[in-house]
Parts: sequence; structure tokens; C-alpha cells
Amino acid sequence: QVQLKESGPGLVQPSETLSLTCTVSGFSLTSYSVSWVRQPSGKGPEWMGRMWYDGDTAYNSALKSRLSISRDTSKNQVFLKMNSLQTDDTGTYYCTRVTTEGPYFDYWGQGVMVTVSS
Amino acid sequence: DVVMTQTPVSLSLAIGQPASISCKSSQSLLGTSGKTFLNWILQRPGQSPKRLIYQVSKLYSEVPDRFSGSGSETEFTLKISRVEAEDLGVYYCWQGTHFPHTFGAGTKLELK
Repeated sequence: QVQLKESGPGLVQPSETLSLTCTVSGFSLTSYSVSWVRQPSGKGPEWMGRMWYDGDTAYNSALKSRLSISRDTSKNQVFLKMNSLQTDDTGTYYCTRVTTEGPYFDYWGQGVMVTVSS
Repeated sequence: DVVMTQTPVSLSLAIGQPASISCKSSQSLLGTSGKTFLNWILQRPGQSPKRLIYQVSKLYSEVPDRFSGSGSETEFTLKISRVEAEDLGVYYCWQGTHFPHTFGAGTKLELK
């Protein structure tokens, strides 16, 4: 079945770089796009960016200068790197599958909590 | 960016009562394809979001038919005909028509 699982450090120092991995199963990254969405505690989600099925990327303009999304199709993994972290980057980070029929997130990972603190 | 405004912020309802959540967008969500990419998700306490409705009114297969979605352009509504205990959580509308995709702040459904 379709699964997505995020992994990465739970604690990051301010000004450091966050590196997260989304490992997927049950579908191919060359057929489906994957988006990253984050959610500060108690707040609504924020779309961060997308790795398209063809390898292209799209980013939220508010994060574009700090954000990079890449993938390794042989390992079924999508990567997120974001630099210059600040305390307001604290929250839960999710990867989601984007359907082939349109921009809908049909499956979500369990999320990984990231705290930015010294 | 498209701003998604949800009302009310919270709902307190008894089992069996109907629920209605409004979602308004600052721009039309009708895309060049002729489709409107307005979606709803539910986040139960302590869980990741789950899919509910896509393209305004289409229910995913596992979603009970007591849920319905309607609307067009900039005004949308999620309705639950009779609330059940498993429906509690926070409902978010979000749009996929424009980049960046944006989410509403959420409507918390609590049981009375």
C-alpha cells in the first residue's frame, strides 16, 4: 500500500540547516509528485514545495531562497534541505503524495517534529 | 498569495447535529483547465491530516456520504449531515489552483 515516512533530526540549532528525508513505498517517484508541507504547532499547514514526477521542482516563494528539494528515485526518497533555520521554523514537517489527476494530496506521511532551539 | 479564510474558528456540536464550515478565497480558484482545485482535509487530534474532499465536491472513496462539499469561484462550504464522534478534529480547506498552494487556518469541531 501507499506509504510515506519522514525522517530527520528532531532538534536543530538556529542558523543551521535542516535535512529531512521522505521515504516512499507503494508507488513510483517517476509517476507521482511529492510535496512538503509544514505545520507550526496549533496553526494551519504551509505548503513548502514540490518534487514533480519528472524531476522538476516548485517552491513557495516565501521559502525559495532557503529551500532545496531533491530526490533519489533508486532509493524511493525525496529530500528537503532548508538553511538559516530560525525558531519560527519549528513545527511538524510532512511529505505528501500528489495525485496524477490534479493538485490533490491523497496520502500524507506521519510527520516529523522539528524544534529549532539552542 | 491566495488567502483562505475559514469560519467559524470552532464548532461545538452534539452527535447527530449538522455542521457547516465556510471557506472563502481571496481569488477565484477556477483554473485554466476549467477545474476548481479546492480541497478539504481533516486532522484528528495527534494525527497527520487525512484527505476528505477534492475538487470542491468529490469525496474520496473511504469518506462517508454524510460529508458533502459545494461552492464555486471564491466561496465554498463543507457540510456534515449528522456529526459522529469520529468527525472531531480540525478541518482545513486548501487550494491547489495557484502557487503557492495555501491553507485555511482551520475549523475545530468539538463534541458537545
